Amino acid sequence: GDSVTQTEGLVTLTEGLPVMLNCTYQTIYSNPFLFWYVQHLNESPRLLLKSFTDNKRTEHQGFHATLHKSSSSFHLQKSSAQLSDSALYYCALSMNYNQGKLIFGQGTKLSIKP
Amino acid sequence: DAAVTQKPRYLIKMKGQEAEMKCIPEKGHTAVFWYQQKQSKELKFLIYFQNQQPLDQIDMVKERFSAVCPSSSLCSLGIRTCEAEDSALYLCSSICPGTDNNQAPLFGEGTRLSVL
Repeated sequence: GDSVTQTEGLVTLTEGLPVMLNCTYQTIYSNPFLFWYVQHLNESPRLLLKSFTDNKRTEHQGFHATLHKSSSSFHLQKSSAQLSDSALYYCALSMNYNQGKLIFGQGTKLSIKP
Repeated sequence: DAAVTQKPRYLIKMKGQEAEMKCIPEKGHTAVFWYQQKQSKELKFLIYFQNQQPLDQIDMVKERFSAVCPSSSLCSLGIRTCEAEDSALYLCSSICPGTDNNQAPLFGEGTRLSVL
């Protein structure tokens, strides 16, 4: 079945260093939608990025990701981490025929230290 | 501002009691989804409504939950007999299905259920 894999459960970085959170997916569907949601403590998930176009960089709030269908990846990156970036990050997958049903990865907790 | 509203924010039940939580989707959104999140872990899909009809749900929901969307502006998720394992954050999301590829599911604040 369809699935999303986030290999890192916890990423701890010093403020100012670059961020990269891994996300790979599996689906038989050729046109998936990929998302990154961010969830701060005691809040609901909030959309950070979305993409369905192969090899096109998507950016928002300093974060960026590129969907690579050849490697089934949608890694999240940021050039310089900020303390306020500390949160849970979820990669998710959906299909064009039902964009609302999200299949989530296990989530990566990003902890930024001063 | 766009918003999905969930009530109550917190719910405490004893084992064996019934629980009910509500979701008001964003205005105009006809697709509603429920997810379960335990201890800040993975979000698990539970059930999906389109135009108030349940179109997809996992076995656990069929067996132990009750979910309805009596109107386009209100949905509810119930647990018939709460068990300790049901303690979780229940999140509702909504979207207006269509050809707009720029939209994404919008989440409510969630109902945090604690079963004692």
